[in-house]
Amino acid sequence: GDSVTQMEGPVTLSEEAFLTINCTYTATGYPSLFWYVQYPGEGLQLLLKATKADDKGSNKGFEATYRKETTSFHLEKGSVQVSDSAVYFCAQGGSEKLVFGKGMKLTVNP
Amino acid sequence: ETGVTQSPTHLIKTRGQQVTLRCSSQSGHNTVSWYQQALGQGPQFIFQYYREEENGRGNFPPRFSGLQFPNYSSELNVNALELDDSALYLCASSSRASRIHEQYFGPGTRLTVT
Repeated sequence: GDSVTQMEGPVTLSEEAFLTINCTYTATGYPSLFWYVQYPGEGLQLLLKATKADDKGSNKGFEATYRKETTSFHLEKGSVQVSDSAVYFCAQGGSEKLVFGKGMKLTVNP
Repeated sequence: ETGVTQSPTHLIKTRGQQVTLRCSSQSGHNTVSWYQQALGQGPQFIFQYYREEENGRGNFPPRFSGLQFPNYSSELNVNALELDDSALYLCASSSRASRIHEQYFGPGTRLTVT
């Protein structure tokens, strides 16, 4: 069945460090791909999305590119901030449901 | 534009009891999905409602049931609560008119079963 595998962490970085969170998926079709972020005590916020191969999603300095050949959607940010501390979820989906990875907790220290 | 809202925020129930959780969808959205997020895990799809009918279901037993109302709000009902039902329950709304079908989540209801 459809699934998402992502780095689980936890990961601790210093402010201004480079961030990469790997995400790969298995799917029977061509799903849309998403990154969601969850801040402590809150629900999920959509961070960015991509709907087809080679699409690049970007938001708040984060980027991810839909790679069909490697079935991947890795999240990157060039310089993280303390305010980026949160749990990051990779997800795939279509019209019916989203399938999530287990999430990766990121802590950014000043 | 009003976002997705859920009530209550927190709930404590005893094993064997029944619980109802509520969700109001974002303005303009006609589809509601429910997810269960256990501690330290990613959300798991429970079911989706569109036009007041169930439109897809995940691997959850029948004691998990739902409703969608004409105003697109929704309820999640869980009967015969078990300890493992303790989790954050997330509601997400989306629009069938959207090509991307991105889902927008509410803050969740934290259910504790003792």
